Amino acid sequence: EAQVTQNPRYLITVTGKKLTVTCSQNMNHEYMSWYRQDPGLGLRQIYYSMNVEVTDKGDVPEGYKVSRKEKRNFPLILESPSPNQTSLYFCASRSQGDPWNEQYFGPGTRLTVT
Amino acid sequence: AQSVAQPEDQVNVAEGNPLTVKCTYSVSGNPYLFWYVQYPNRGLQFLLKYITGDNLVKGSYGFEAEFNKSQTSFHLKKPSALVSDSALYFCAVRDLNSGGYQKVTFGTGTKLQVIP
Repeated sequence: EAQVTQNPRYLITVTGKKLTVTCSQNMNHEYMSWYRQDPGLGLRQIYYSMNVEVTDKGDVPEGYKVSRKEKRNFPLILESPSPNQTSLYFCASRSQGDPWNEQYFGPGTRLTVT
Repeated sequence: AQSVAQPEDQVNVAEGNPLTVKCTYSVSGNPYLFWYVQYPNRGLQFLLKYITGDNLVKGSYGFEAEFNKSQTSFHLKKPSALVSDSALYFCAVRDLNSGGYQKVTFGTGTKLQVIP
């Protein structure tokens, strides 16, 4: 089954404690993205990757890091989480081919930073 | 810069009635437009997209969307709402002029509540 997986699904942590949210896709997609979803703000892109070792900032990259060492994986790293990073996070992927290709989303990770 | 507006935070409709969820967009070039649906505790799922051609696009679960270039709108419609359609709906636009990644911009979402 074609899918994007994320782990963990739920995470409660404290300010300053480094964490990583994993994302993996099994569709051999070149493009991958991280979004955060906040009430009234919709989805905002954090980082994206066009292929292995190619990443770039989205609209709200402050406080986040990413890496793309393998095509299927695109982890999101919060090195020193703060309460304003409490949010619902989604990973997404799509094929490079046509610009009208839709994105496939993971199930989401709900992060709470206290 | 591209943008998407969903003017209604919530839409309530009685089961069996037609529904419309509104979306307007702004891009510098020709747009690719998408609708996604998010059910509770789930990720976003693709519903339909407009590429070019027919202004009425048909998608999954009986949904369709009407593209109107002069009004820069892409409203989501369904002739007869089901309770199971209750979810959060997102409109999105991709502008070919936004570079190699062809960035997607999402609206703020509209919660659809279908009342039995």
